[in-house]
Amino acid sequence: GENVEQHPSTLSVQEGDSAVIKCTYSDSASNYFPWYKQELGKRPQLIIDIRSNVGEKKDQRIAVTLNKTAKHFSLHITETQPEDSAVYFCAASIEDKIIFGKGTRLHILP
Amino acid sequence: DTGVSQDPRHKITKRGQNVTFRCDPISEHNRLYWYRQTLGQGPEFLTYFQNEAQLEKSRLLSDRFSAERPKGSFSTLEIQRTEQGDSAMYLCASSSGLAGYNEQFFGPGTRLTVL
Repeated sequence: GENVEQHPSTLSVQEGDSAVIKCTYSDSASNYFPWYKQELGKRPQLIIDIRSNVGEKKDQRIAVTLNKTAKHFSLHITETQPEDSAVYFCAASIEDKIIFGKGTRLHILP
Repeated sequence: DTGVSQDPRHKITKRGQNVTFRCDPISEHNRLYWYRQTLGQGPEFLTYFQNEAQLEKSRLLSDRFSAERPKGSFSTLEIQRTEQGDSAMYLCASSSGLAGYNEQFFGPGTRLTVL
């Protein structure tokens, strides 16, 4: 079955700097890659997603890249703000079954 | 409220007791998913439904776990003879099931504590 690895597990960046979270997946049949943000005590919320026929997608300060050959995908957050502090999960999906990574706890330092 | 709702939000039970959780998906969403999340981990897929049909079950779902979606709307997840290892957040999500629309919307979760 699908396996998603996510790195790093914890990331601290200065406010205003960029943050990058990287993930790999194992099943080349995966065709949908969502990223979820989960604040403490809250439900996961989709922040951006990308499909396997696209290499890059951007939404304001957030961008995601996908390398299907290497089975890598990454989340980039630019100009980080205090409200970006949360746990971020990457995921890979085959036929609507989503497999999540273990998460990255992002700390934005003042 | 048009989002996914779950009930109860918290459940404390003694080992060996049975518990049942309910999930109400977004109206007219065909697909409904159950996940389990433990502290410091990502959500783990348990099972999912297309309307009333249960299409897939994870190996994580032991015989003590059963899920139903009898009318294709709300779903229940029952855990029989609970064990301390069942303590977790149980998340429900729904999606439209339409081709090209994969986004899953999560409910607030039911936090289970087994004493």
